[in-house]
Parts: sequence; structure tokens; C-alpha cells
Amino acid sequence: EVQLVESGGGLVQPGGSLRLSCAASRFTFSSYSMTWVRQAPGKGLEWVSSLTGSGARIYYADSVKGRFTISRDNSKNTVYLQMNSLRAEDTAVYYCAKAIAVAGLLDLALDSWGQGTLVTVSS
Amino acid sequence: QSALTQPRSVSGSPGQSVTISCTGTSSDVGTYNYVSWYQQHPGKAPKVMIFDVSKRPSGVPDRFSGSKSGNTASLTISGLQAEDEGDYYCCSYGGTYVVFGGGTKLTVL
Repeated sequence: EVQLVESGGGLVQPGGSLRLSCAASRFTFSSYSMTWVRQAPGKGLEWVSSLTGSGARIYYADSVKGRFTISRDNSKNTVYLQMNSLRAEDTAVYYCAKAIAVAGLLDLALDSWGQGTLVTVSS
Repeated sequence: QSALTQPRSVSGSPGQSVTISCTGTSSDVGTYNYVSWYQQHPGKAPKVMIFDVSKRPSGVPDRFSGSKSGNTASLTISGLQAEDEGDYYCCSYGGTYVVFGGGTKLTVL
């Protein structure tokens, strides 16, 4: 069974930075696009960013563009989310998720999710 | 990239059917057949129930079905069971973005 384990969340002051990691196992990591989705406390799901298996194609939500950077290291089976200039409205549980198929990117549903890591932006 | 519109809540009795609507625009739901539906129980990660408008991943009961007409997609759950209670989110591809709905709370009476 696919396993995704997020880490790196925590409390950070507004304007600060944080890097999230998502360690993947039990599937051919480099073949699948990966996505970060977040969920503010008591709120709905919000797409954050996605990248292809090679990392060559990357997309961001307008709300994070220019502040967040998604990347992956296929040798470590890990996807990252570097978050800079953090704001209170970035407070959320951040999930990483795997695409349901090997071909495509944003058009693909997400069939495996991690347990999430909580990011709290507050002074 | 405005959120897709879903009813805030729906309810039904065990054995009944419910339908959750999801309205987008001609830039996302209306153009692409890449609508998915996710079920989320409290404190848990989402689980995909429907993808590509009407396809079911293996392991998802055939009580769950999806459809689309114009800018509106729908999730129908027939033969409601207690374990179906939870939050449901639709999601659509929009060319250069992905957008979720605001979520619908399903209560099984």
C-alpha cells in the first residue's frame, strides 16, 4: 500500500519560512506527479501546487505563487514545499497526495494522501 | 480560480439516495471531463470516490456514481449507509489550475 508521510510543520511567525517534506514509499515515485493540498482549520480543501514526475512542469495556486516553491528529489522519494513570506491565512493542515495515474498532471485525481502536517502562522 | 459551488449540507435516511451538486464555470467543469469527488471523515485525509466525472477507483462501492451536465457535476450516493456520513468535496481541472468546491456535509439521519 502506498505510504506518504509529511513532516516539517509547526508554528512560525508571519513573514517567516518553513519547508515541508513528504516521504513516499511503496510505489514508483518518479513516475507520478505529486500535489500539495491544504485545509485551513474548519474549512475546505484548497489546491496549492503540483509537479510532474520529472519535476519539469510545475503549477501553483494564485494564493501562493511567488512565495511557495514545490520540488522533488526522486533519489530520496521525497517531495518538498518551501514556504516563504508566510501569512496568517496560510495556517492549515498541508497534505501531499499522489496522482491516480502516470500520465498527466493537473487533470489527474489524487488517489493516495498523507496524514497531513499542521502549519500555524502566528505571532 | 474561484471555488466550485456546493450545497453546504445534505441529508438522507439509510437506504435512500442523495445527490450533491457542484457548479463551476465554462473554464473548468464545463470544458473538461476531469471532475473528481473526495470523501473526508473528521480528522482523516480525503479519499477519492469518483474521478474523470464518473469513474470509480477500485474498492469504491457502486453505490457512488458521478455525472456532469454543462457547468454542473453531481455525485449521487444510493442506498445510503451510516458510514457515508462525512464531508464531500468536488474538484475540477481548469487547464492551468485545480479548484475544489467548498464542501458538502452529508448527514445520514
